Amino acid sequence: NAGVTQTPKFRVLKTGQSMTLLCAQDMNHEYMYWYRQDPGMGLRLIHYSVGEGTTAKGEVPDGYNVSRLKKQNFLLGLESAAPSQTSVYFCASSYGVPLEAFFGQGTRLTVV
Amino acid sequence: AQKITQTQPGMFVQEKEAVTLDCTYDTSDQSYGLFWYKQPSSGEMIFLIYQGSYDEQNATEGRYSLNFQKARKSANLVISASQLGDSAMYFCAMRDPIYGGATNKLIFGTGTLLAVQP
Repeated sequence: NAGVTQTPKFRVLKTGQSMTLLCAQDMNHEYMYWYRQDPGMGLRLIHYSVGEGTTAKGEVPDGYNVSRLKKQNFLLGLESAAPSQTSVYFCASSYGVPLEAFFGQGTRLTVV
Repeated sequence: AQKITQTQPGMFVQEKEAVTLDCTYDTSDQSYGLFWYKQPSSGEMIFLIYQGSYDEQNATEGRYSLNFQKARKSANLVISASQLGDSAMYFCAMRDPIYGGATNKLIFGTGTLLAVQP
């Protein structure tokens, strides 16, 4: 049972480049979340989804887009990367409320 | 708006002693859930304990207990008999609301870095 898988695990982008982070879960979870983790800031919610075909903005959505075309996948896109988007990105999923969320291993993204 | 506050950036504790990590929250909803996660230096997020707003008793999971004081909006994590392997970052989180509602956000505090000393 893989749980929550994020790809890639590491990436270096140049300013202005685009990329997509993929999150896949095999637990049939309804809820999925994307966070970024920065020193001293904790985990901040970027976007989330409460089911296939739905997305909603979190605390820091600017500069990111998401899609949930399939229940098991939640994609996070950066259309034009900026150095301020250098961070560790975590995906999480949850079966429903109030059960706990399961996290992926994280993606370390550096924008130069 | 929902908010989680962890006021202790870092804590030290002696091995085998108990330690309390503080967490306060702000929400206008009556039903919500509170979580604690551990993040060791390897980076993964490990779920520790959950408390629902309607739970009358404090949650416990092994050496972890959650001191839930609803009127004060606090949900402190107590680790008993600290071990060297408890050294990690600890995050308090809240899901609001937990039954129904359109948001179902899961938000986190800024974390407390715990160092257990031998």
